[in-house]
Amino acid sequence: DAGVIQSPRHEVTEMGQEVTLRCKPISGHNSLFWYRQTMMRGLELLIYFNNNVPIDDSGMPEDRFSAKMPNASFSTLKIQPSEPRDSAVYFCASSLAQAGGSYNEQFFGPGTRLTVL
Amino acid sequence: GENVEQHPSTLSVQEGDSAVIKCTYSDSASNYFPWYKQELGKRPQLIIDIRSNVGEKKDQRIAVTLNKTAKHFSLHITETQPEDSAVYFCAPTRGNTGFQKLVFGTGTRLLVSP
Repeated sequence: DAGVIQSPRHEVTEMGQEVTLRCKPISGHNSLFWYRQTMMRGLELLIYFNNNVPIDDSGMPEDRFSAKMPNASFSTLKIQPSEPRDSAVYFCASSLAQAGGSYNEQFFGPGTRLTVL
Repeated sequence: GENVEQHPSTLSVQEGDSAVIKCTYSDSASNYFPWYKQELGKRPQLIIDIRSNVGEKKDQRIAVTLNKTAKHFSLHITETQPEDSAVYFCAPTRGNTGFQKLVFGTGTRLLVSP
């Protein structure tokens, strides 16, 4: 298995532009997570999906951020319009969540380093 | 919400020494306690985890101990090596059964000097 795939790996854009980050989870996993990592705020969960349905988006900073999961093998995180304070590394992770509370490892993608000028 | 703290924030040791990192949490419903390692410029990766019905778990040079009463769990690394240098995150679970999400601590930077 190729693991969690993210694209692009690096993105440099100007303030006000739209940014779309992409993620392909591990085949067979039913949960997908978007995280943001900065020096100041650490590793923050933005949103997570279970069986393609958003379960908790309480970590999404504001309306400029949106996430979709149209099918089990693809998710996007969009920022529109982007601002310099959005500069961070964005990680996607996936896991196999099991009914009854049994918890399994989250596998992280390589991340997308976003710089907004 | 869940409050997760790690101590120390940085830890410097000599190669061969032991290192201990402590994680305290506030949610008494937490029942899964993993530790992730993140090397510079890389992704976080799970190195060891423990579930609430176990007090200690060992895997070669690393171990995790859990004290649910006191709401803390610790990562122990023995015979440290330079390649252990990284940032370590604890991430106790929170949330409802079946839809649990990790809440990451602030991280501990471990530096192992040769």
